Amino acid sequence: AQSVTQLDSHVSVSEGTPVLLRCNYSSSYSPSLFWYVQHPNKGLQLLLKYTSAATLVKGINGFEAEFKKSETSFHLTKPSAHMSDAAEYFCVVSYADTGGFKTIFGAGTRLFVKA
Amino acid sequence: AAGVIQSPRHLIKEKRETATLKCYPIPRHDTVYWYQQGPGQDPQFLISFYEKMQSDKGSIPDRFSAQQFSDYHSELNMSSLELGDSALYFCASSGGTGARLGNTIYFGEGSWLTVV
Repeated sequence: AQSVTQLDSHVSVSEGTPVLLRCNYSSSYSPSLFWYVQHPNKGLQLLLKYTSAATLVKGINGFEAEFKKSETSFHLTKPSAHMSDAAEYFCVVSYADTGGFKTIFGAGTRLFVKA
Repeated sequence: AAGVIQSPRHLIKEKRETATLKCYPIPRHDTVYWYQQGPGQDPQFLISFYEKMQSDKGSIPDRFSAQQFSDYHSELNMSSLELGDSALYFCASSGGTGARLGNTIYFGEGSWLTVV
């Protein structure tokens, strides 16, 4: 069965320190992987996506993620957190299936940024 | 535990017809979000409601409308359907917005709409 696991429900960092949001997936197929951010009262915003090209993917707002097939991971990182980064982050897997395609969302990781 | 329920799970309509998708949020959740994901595409945010009022609007076509009812369930109405409307429509719910940052958003499994 396909699955997405975000290993931390909450992450708290200080402003200016690195951010690491962890995501592991399980997929028998070649998946597309995404990270979304959602600020309160807003829809999902795409940060970055991996679709079988370069394994290190750079996204918006200084975020990047590395696809590691051997570890089935797609962790999201940022060198220096900003207060505006405080939000909920979703790791998402999408893959082709016999019935079309499916998308699985992780449970989300709430990022808190302390001044 | 109860999850976000979407119905129908699969729907086939012809061009120019109308379709209605329903979303039942997790009990006591007051916020509902709708997303559309076309084949091989990223999920696109359509619209959201908080306490039965529209709270945010994304890339929702004018042919689509939505509302949240007194029991907090939501319906997405799609008229004059086009082939390009064929997609997976996700609904999500959460327990609140704004300063209550601790609320997690839960997604339904989606409703497949096929327009032929």
